[in-house]
Amino acid sequence: DGGITQSPKYLFRKEGQNVTLSCEQNLNHDAMYWYRQDPGQGLRLIYYSQIVNDFQKGDIAEGYSVSREKKESFPLTVTSAQKNPTAFYLCASSIPAGQPQHFGDGTRLSIL
Amino acid sequence: GENVEQHPSTLSVQEGDSAVIKCTYSDSASNYFPWYKQELGKGPQLIIDIRSNVGEKKDQRIAVTLNKTAKHFSLHITETQPEDSAVYFCAASKRRGNQFYFGTGTSLTVIP
Repeated sequence: DGGITQSPKYLFRKEGQNVTLSCEQNLNHDAMYWYRQDPGQGLRLIYYSQIVNDFQKGDIAEGYSVSREKKESFPLTVTSAQKNPTAFYLCASSIPAGQPQHFGDGTRLSIL
Repeated sequence: GENVEQHPSTLSVQEGDSAVIKCTYSDSASNYFPWYKQELGKGPQLIIDIRSNVGEKKDQRIAVTLNKTAKHFSLHITETQPEDSAVYFCAASKRRGNQFYFGTGTSLTVIP
């Protein structure tokens, strides 16, 4: 059964700590995306990757980093430089060029 | 860049009534418009989409209309049911770059 798996579902970060959110897809999609969702706001793009070993910053990339070493995987690291990391993080994938994005079920990150 | 506005932010309807959610976009190059439904604690799920060469698309109780001249598109849900209660997001994208720009969401409540 194809889909996108995000883990963990809940994550807590201590001050000064980097944390990594996992996103794996078995849909054979080339493009992958990370979004941040805050209450009452739409989805804001953090980073996206259209092909392995390549990625671009989205609208709110500061304080985040990504890697794309494999087609199936697009992990997001929330660094200590991100001063307000509490949010719901969504990973998505798609076939490029105007096709719908498929989303995972998200990771909720909170500050301890 | 693209700017997508969505109204209303909240909507309550009686079961069996219709619900309409409207979105406007700013970039005339946008040519693909999906609608997503997000239930609590889950990722958004695609429910219907429309491309710029079509004015209307229908799938059972759900329909989407697009007015390219006015740069707006709408989601119509007829014969609403309690399970339609969720947050709905519209989005717009262009063929190049495959970035999606999301509206801020509409929280729909269907009252039994």
